[in-house]
Amino acid sequence: NAGVMQNPRHLVRRRGQEARLRCSPMKGHSHVYWYRQLPEEGLKFMVYLQKENIIDESGMPKERFSAEFPKEGPSILRIQQVVRGDSAAYFCASSKPGASWNTEAFFGQGTRLTVV
Amino acid sequence: TQLLEQSPQFLSIQEGENLTVYCNSSSVFSSLQWYRQEPGEGPVLLVTVVTGGEVKKLKRLTFQFGDARKDSSLHITAAQTGDTGLYLCAGAPGGSNYKLTFGKGTLLTVNP
Repeated sequence: NAGVMQNPRHLVRRRGQEARLRCSPMKGHSHVYWYRQLPEEGLKFMVYLQKENIIDESGMPKERFSAEFPKEGPSILRIQQVVRGDSAAYFCASSKPGASWNTEAFFGQGTRLTVV
Repeated sequence: TQLLEQSPQFLSIQEGENLTVYCNSSSVFSSLQWYRQEPGEGPVLLVTVVTGGEVKKLKRLTFQFGDARKDSSLHITAAQTGDTGLYLCAGAPGGSNYKLTFGKGTLLTVNP
């Protein structure tokens, strides 16, 4: 049973380019959460999505960032016009409907974004 | 904003030694989790504590949740080199338990 799959593992973008980060949840999981880990900082919640719905995006920067979780395919975190401050590790976690985050949510290996 | 302070930030010990790391806050959490994160990997959940005063054991690891549910500790007995990693605590506020507040972590190095 494959875990949460994120790709790419490493992504380098020049300032002003777009970054697309993908997350395929575990089989049977329809809830996806994105967290960001900035250098020297703890992980910070960004957004919580269910299939075709954004449930809570209170942690997302208001500009340049967007997330989706379509009916088919992976969840996508999109960052437009990247800046150096966007360099971070982006983690996705997934859970089943009705699951307790406490015991049944799992993190992927993350995408390390470097903006040059 | 709820904050979690972890101490020490760095800890380097010899194999076989015991250690305790701490996670403190001025806020109350409905539950608190401990994760271990290895370089280049995502956090892996070790344990969740939900009741004030609760103690949970996972082999050589002992986790305690403070009576007031504002702090927690992780004690490792007879550390092994495989225990090396970044230990993160994360608290869930009441209600939206997916919106975890993470500490910055304690980076543990166990030397052979």
